Formats: sequence, C-alpha cells, structure tokens
Amino acid sequence: GAVVSQHPSRVICKSGTSVKIECRSLDFQATTMFWYRQFPKQSLMLMATSNEGSKATYEQGVEKDKFLINHASLTLSTLTVTSAHPEDSSFYICSADPGGLSGNTIYFGEGSWLTVV
Amino acid sequence: GENVEQHPSTLSVQEGDSAVIKCTYSDSASNYFPWYKQELGKRPQLIIDIRSNVGEKKDQRIAVTLNKTAKHFSLHITETQPEDSAVYFCAARLPGGYQKVTFGTGTKLQVIP
Repeated sequence: GAVVSQHPSRVICKSGTSVKIECRSLDFQATTMFWYRQFPKQSLMLMATSNEGSKATYEQGVEKDKFLINHASLTLSTLTVTSAHPEDSSFYICSADPGGLSGNTIYFGEGSWLTVV
Repeated sequence: GENVEQHPSTLSVQEGDSAVIKCTYSDSASNYFPWYKQELGKRPQLIIDIRSNVGEKKDQRIAVTLNKTAKHFSLHITETQPEDSAVYFCAARLPGGYQKVTFGTGTKLQVIP
C-alpha cells in the first residue's frame, strides 16, 4: 500500500524559534498533500492543501506567514512553524493522495508532536 | 463547502455486541466516503471506504452503508473486540485529487471486555 512518512515524530523547541516538519510519500508521487492539526480529543483540522510546484491553499483562519508550506517535489512537502509559541503546541499530521487507481483515498503520515516551551 | 456531522461522540458497547456510527454530509456532489480508525497518538488508519456508486460494502466484521438520497452513511462493526476501542472518523470528499477530505468530529468507541 501507499506509505507516507513524516519526520520528526516529536520535537521540542523554544518559543520564538522555527520548526520544520517533513512529509514524504515513499512509494508514490503525490501532486497534492494535506496538512492537518489535531488538538487532544478533537478531529483533524485541515490547515492547508499543498500543491507541487505552486503555492499552498490555506484554510480560513490559518496564517500563511506563520505556517509556511513548501511542496518542492512530487514526494516531499514541508511545514515550517515560524516564530513558534506555546499555543502552537499540537499534533501535526500530513496526508497524501496517490491519485490514479487509488481513487480518492488519502494516506496519513505518522504525525508530529510539537511542544513549544 | 462540505460539512460532515458524526454521531455519537462516544459509544460504549460490551464485547461481542455491535457498534454503529452514523454520519451525514451536506454536498450531494461528494462521491467518496472513507472511515478512519485512530488510536491515541497515532495516525488515522483507513479501515473501509465506499464510493457513491455503491450502497453497501463489507469487510469481515466491518461494513459501511451509504444512502445518497438522504446523504448519510454509517459504519457497522459486529462482534466487537477490545482492540476495536479507538476513535473513528468518517469523512467525505468531492471528486478530484486536489479536493480536500472533510472529516466528522469523531466517535470514541470503548469496547468493554
């Protein structure tokens, strides 16, 4: 099946610094990847849709200058949380669409726990 | 945009009983409805999905039904086991690889041994 890898799985950073999270599709090419944020005991909140070779599409209320998304290749998308603050602490998870014969199925990365201290 | 509602938010069943989770969606153009199981701190795992040209799909103890007219779909788990305990999310997606997946609010299922 389609495999999506996310790194790092856990990261602790100081307030004011930036953190980069990588999302890779290991055995398929993904023109579209999605970034979600999940608070404890809540659903997945879509932050943005990452399109290879073009600018990401951000959901309403998500600051594009704070959550920088880059989709430079068909197998890699990155999310950079800039000037992180404690309220940015959360579980961030990406997903990717293999397209083609998979239909509309998307597959998730392992997720990244971000703690800002 | 698409809106997905999910009920109940929590569900407790005795081991061996059945569990049913229901979802409704708003956009009649949605044509793909996956169900994900998420254990604490882990990624959502696809457990079953259904497309709009099918009314029912079954995979061992798990089944999903879709009523396009009413715009609702349901997950049925039979002979529940303790390892079925998790949070389950339904979702809906419009056609097109660039389309986002809209998730329901989740159901925490507890199977009591």
